[in-house]
Amino acid sequence: SQQGEEDPQALSIQEGENATMNCSYKTSINNLQWYRQNSGRGLVHLILIRSNEREKHSGRLRVTLDTSKKSSSLLITASRAADTASYFCATDYNQGGKLIFGQGTELSVKP
Amino acid sequence: DAGVIQSPRHEVTEMGQEVTLRCKPISGHDYLFWYRQTMMRGLELLIYFNNNVPIDDSGMPEDRFSAKMPNASFSTLKIQPSEPRDSAVYFCASPKVAANTGELFFGEGSRLTVL
Repeated sequence: SQQGEEDPQALSIQEGENATMNCSYKTSINNLQWYRQNSGRGLVHLILIRSNEREKHSGRLRVTLDTSKKSSSLLITASRAADTASYFCATDYNQGGKLIFGQGTELSVKP
Repeated sequence: DAGVIQSPRHEVTEMGQEVTLRCKPISGHDYLFWYRQTMMRGLELLIYFNNNVPIDDSGMPEDRFSAKMPNASFSTLKIQPSEPRDSAVYFCASPKVAANTGELFFGEGSRLTVL
C-alpha cells in the first residue's frame, strides 16, 4: 500500500486564496518531501523537511511536519493560476533508500 | 546540465512486443530510480540502483520486466512481452545522494501505450 495518503484528492480555489494540502504516512522517516507535477511533465522537487524540523518555508510555500501524528501539510499562500498542478508528498520508507510517493492532490487555481 | 534524459517520450506498441525505455541520469549522481505512474495506482517505485547495482527490485511487477544499468550514464527498462496493463508513464529519476537526504530530479517520462 502507499506510504503516503494525501488529502484532499482534489482542490479548487480562486487566485489569491491559500491552498492547504495534507499528507499522512505510516513508517518512521528521516525526511519528507513535497513535489509538484504539471500535466504531462515530470515531477519537480519543492521542499524537504527533516524529521527533527517542525516547519519550513520557501517563498510562498510553508510545510509543517508532526512526527507524532505522522502527518505533514503544505500551504501555498496567495495562489496563482500557474500553481495549478498535482502535488505529492514523498517519504523515505522506513528510513531507507526508497522514496515512496503519496497519491497526490490535484490543485486547480482559477484566475 | 541537461538533467535526466528519457527516451522515447511516447511509445505505442502492440501486445506481445518488446519495449525498451532508456534513461540517461545526471552525471555524477550515484543512484537511479525507475517509477511507473498510472491513474489507478499512482507513482510506484519499480527498482533503484546504487553505483550501477540493483538495490531493490521488489516493485518490479513480474518477470516480464527487467532493468539494467551497464554504466553510470545509462539505464534501460525492458518489458517483454508487453501487455495492455503495462500502459503507463515511466519515469527515471536520479538524486544527488541517497534519496533520504536529498531531492530527486525526474526526467519528463516515457508514455507507453500497449494496444
